[in-house]
Amino acid sequence: SAVISQKPSRDICQRGTSLTIQCQVDSQVTMMFWYRQQPGQSLTLIATANQGSEATYESGFVIDKFPISRPNLTFSTLTVSNMSPEDSSIYLCSVMTGGSNQPQHFGDGTRLSIL
Amino acid sequence: GQQLNQSPQSMFIQEGEDVSMNCTSSSIFNTWLWYKQEPGEGPVLLIALYKAGELTSNGRLTAQFGITRKDSFLNISASIPSDVGIYFCAGQRYNNNDMRFGAGTRLTVKP
Repeated sequence: SAVISQKPSRDICQRGTSLTIQCQVDSQVTMMFWYRQQPGQSLTLIATANQGSEATYESGFVIDKFPISRPNLTFSTLTVSNMSPEDSSIYLCSVMTGGSNQPQHFGDGTRLSIL
Repeated sequence: GQQLNQSPQSMFIQEGEDVSMNCTSSSIFNTWLWYKQEPGEGPVLLIALYKAGELTSNGRLTAQFGITRKDSFLNISASIPSDVGIYFCAGQRYNNNDMRFGAGTRLTVKP
């Protein structure tokens, strides 16, 4: 399966600042997704990163707070804007390499703490 | 989003014991998946199930896609210490590439 690299692996940030997380895949993939995993919780889908167009956001997540880019088939970024302590979570990138109904594979995540 | 009910929430077992966990939903999924997450890592795919009734093994792991397409279980036989982690079920539907995750089962194996 594809090798998925996320950067940074962890960060500690001040409230009110923004952080951009990168997701790089070693091969072209059809779909890329961004998830949030709050401490001790399961995974919640933030958005589907669409190549060449605006991301598709899930209910409760908005572009102003979580802008996403996907300039090509191997790379995407998620920005967490104007951070508050409630944004302290693991942010995970996932990819789908085949057509519909194929499993998603995950990067190791970015562990974000906001002071 | 669609809720998946995963149980048990946690398990504390002795090395060598068998483990069983399951996931249920009020709606149909076309694919059921089981992932394992260890500290500091992302979820790793263990087993993917594509057909109702399908029974699939991966080493000591066995998973089944329920006949109603609304449930799945995962069994681990003869557990070992490295089985420790959080196991997540996930359901996926056609024409909707996102997945819905269960709350996870935290497994602790005592040597």
